[in-house]
Amino acid sequence: DTGVSQDPRHKITKRGQNVTFRCDPISEHNRLYWYRQTLGQGPEFLTYFQNEAQLEKSRLLSDRFSAERPKGSFSTLEIQRTEQGDSAMYLCASRGTTSSYNSPLHFGNGTRLTVT
Amino acid sequence: AQSVTQPDIHITVSEGASLELRCNYSYGATPYLFWYVQSPGQGLQLLLKYFSGDTLVQGIKGFEAEFKRSQSSFNLRKPSVHWSDAAEYFCAVGLSNFGNEKLTFGTGTRLTIIP
Repeated sequence: DTGVSQDPRHKITKRGQNVTFRCDPISEHNRLYWYRQTLGQGPEFLTYFQNEAQLEKSRLLSDRFSAERPKGSFSTLEIQRTEQGDSAMYLCASRGTTSSYNSPLHFGNGTRLTVT
Repeated sequence: AQSVTQPDIHITVSEGASLELRCNYSYGATPYLFWYVQSPGQGLQLLLKYFSGDTLVQGIKGFEAEFKRSQSSFNLRKPSVHWSDAAEYFCAVGLSNFGNEKLTFGTGTRLTIIP
């Protein structure tokens, strides 16, 4: 178990630029989640995948956001035309479904985005 | 929709003292409840969870939490804190019909430990 890996750890970008983050879940986990955490707040759910299928998206995920998990392994989260309000920590998590509700979410260390 | 309230933004305790972090939830059915801990610049680590059964649950690092349905609470406790417990603590609730597909987190309680 190598844990959930996120890349990059930090990203500074100028307003209007596009950014892409990558998440590598724990290898045997078929469910993958994206959360966003702003300063002083708890994480907020954005979207989740079961294998390659994106099953749910939050209303927080505007049209400028897109997430993919093309082969059911790693996932990418892209933000187009970034805005200062997009500055946050983007957390990825994964879990298996062998034990259904009893399997916990494993979180990565996050990607901290700063939009200047 | 479910919600979670952590009324204490910041708590300071002395090393070796006992700790209780408060969590109240709002959800119509029996919730799935979780406590996570987050160290600076890190992701979240699960401390413990409650799904059903015994209302007092034990977790890692000597933490425990008690589910009280009548008070809609799931407070986290530790009898004696260590300096390494300094971190941000998040309570979360999941929908019982989908497990923890979509967790709703509280705003967190920052714990400071003084010598």
